[in-house]
Amino acid sequence: ETGVTQSPTHLIKTRGQQVTLRCSSQSGHNTVSWYQQALGQGPQFIFQYYREEENGRGNFPPRFSGLQFPNYSSELNVNALELDDSALYLCASSLALAGADTQYFGPGTRLTVL
Amino acid sequence: KQEVTQIPAALSVPEGENLVLNCSFTDSAIYNLQWFRQDPGKGLTSLLLIQSSQREQTSGRLNASLDKSSGRSTLYIAASQPGDSATYLCADTYAGNNRKLIWGLGTSLAVNP
Repeated sequence: ETGVTQSPTHLIKTRGQQVTLRCSSQSGHNTVSWYQQALGQGPQFIFQYYREEENGRGNFPPRFSGLQFPNYSSELNVNALELDDSALYLCASSLALAGADTQYFGPGTRLTVL
Repeated sequence: KQEVTQIPAALSVPEGENLVLNCSFTDSAIYNLQWFRQDPGKGLTSLLLIQSSQREQTSGRLNASLDKSSGRSTLYIAASQPGDSATYLCADTYAGNNRKLIWGLGTSLAVNP
């Protein structure tokens, strides 16, 4: 186990609703990245947080937003859910040091939008 | 734009075989390259990370190599076991974009007893 936890493990929502997914980083890690993985695809980078500030964003609309807290845990919020948002959402924590970058992944949250 | 490709998309081998999974990337400006394992419906487990200055990394029956000049990495699995059955993904940390990971689509491996 990596020490990265995510909640909930599964979630079913309907179109137009809002959802919040949570991630607890591995102890000592100050960076959290969020990924969306559709069925049969590789993960797609959503955004990264470093010390509570957004530190890079992928090609996702503004209705995908996030937070990182002082204890480095993180939330991913998605507003106005669409059917295509159905996916496995993965968070990964890392320690932002030059030459490091090993990312430790949580088990993911499986979101289904009906 | 960095693109990562993995070949083959799927592989089925009998138990005990040695096998090689391939990963290629279009831009050599990477910090490192990682290999991950993903079991069906599960999260990702990091297997090996190779820094851009390194040529290979080994962990048990796994050996990963990196050739930046040719834009290639291989994951070698020795004496495969049914428990190795999973999807294997490679991803590089791309220097051009805030150190985010760029992913391949994975190789789905089945090791048959």
